[in-house]
Amino acid sequence: DGGITQSPKYLFRKEGQNVTLSCEQNLNHDAMYWYRQDPGQGLRLIYYSQIVNDFQKGDIAEGYSVSREKKESFPLTVTSAQKNPTAFYLCASKSSSGSYTDTQYFGPGTRLTVL
Amino acid sequence: KQEVTQIPAALSVPEGENLVLNCSFTDSAIYNLQWFRQDPGKGLTSLLLIQSSQREQTSGRLNASLDKSSGRSTLYIAASQPGDSATYLCAGTDKLIFGTGTRLQVFP
Repeated sequence: DGGITQSPKYLFRKEGQNVTLSCEQNLNHDAMYWYRQDPGQGLRLIYYSQIVNDFQKGDIAEGYSVSREKKESFPLTVTSAQKNPTAFYLCASKSSSGSYTDTQYFGPGTRLTVL
Repeated sequence: KQEVTQIPAALSVPEGENLVLNCSFTDSAIYNLQWFRQDPGKGLTSLLLIQSSQREQTSGRLNASLDKSSGRSTLYIAASQPGDSATYLCAGTDKLIFGTGTRLQVFP
């Protein structure tokens, strides 16, 4: 079955630690996205990538880093510089960032909690 | 900068009612408008995508319209069911600027 997987489902981080959230897709999509969702707020874009080895900052990129070494993978690292990382993180992909007619598909999300 | 607003923020209705969820956006240069459903603690599921050149899209009991001139989209849910209970989000433009969502509860 084609789709997007995220792991782990739940993640706990101690203060000062870096953690990496995994996102994998087998849809052969070019574009991938990371969003953060907080209670009572909509999704906010962290980073996005339109093609392998290229990515751009979204609205709230500070304290996060990404890589896109493979088309199917777009891991997100939450660094110790992110002051309030507790949130629900969603990964998404789309056939082409340049196409406005393509549907965006989402993974099941990772809930990160800082202890 | 594109901003997306959804009204109402929450809605609780008895089963069988026809519902209207509203989405407003500030930038009329929107290319497409997508409606999503999110169940608690889960990812988003795409419901309908309306392209800029279209006025509406239909899928089963769902109908979404897009009026670029007024900066509005409407999601119409016919004959609501308890299984429709979820948060509904709209998003516009390529990078998908999301609204804050409408939390819907349909009770038997």
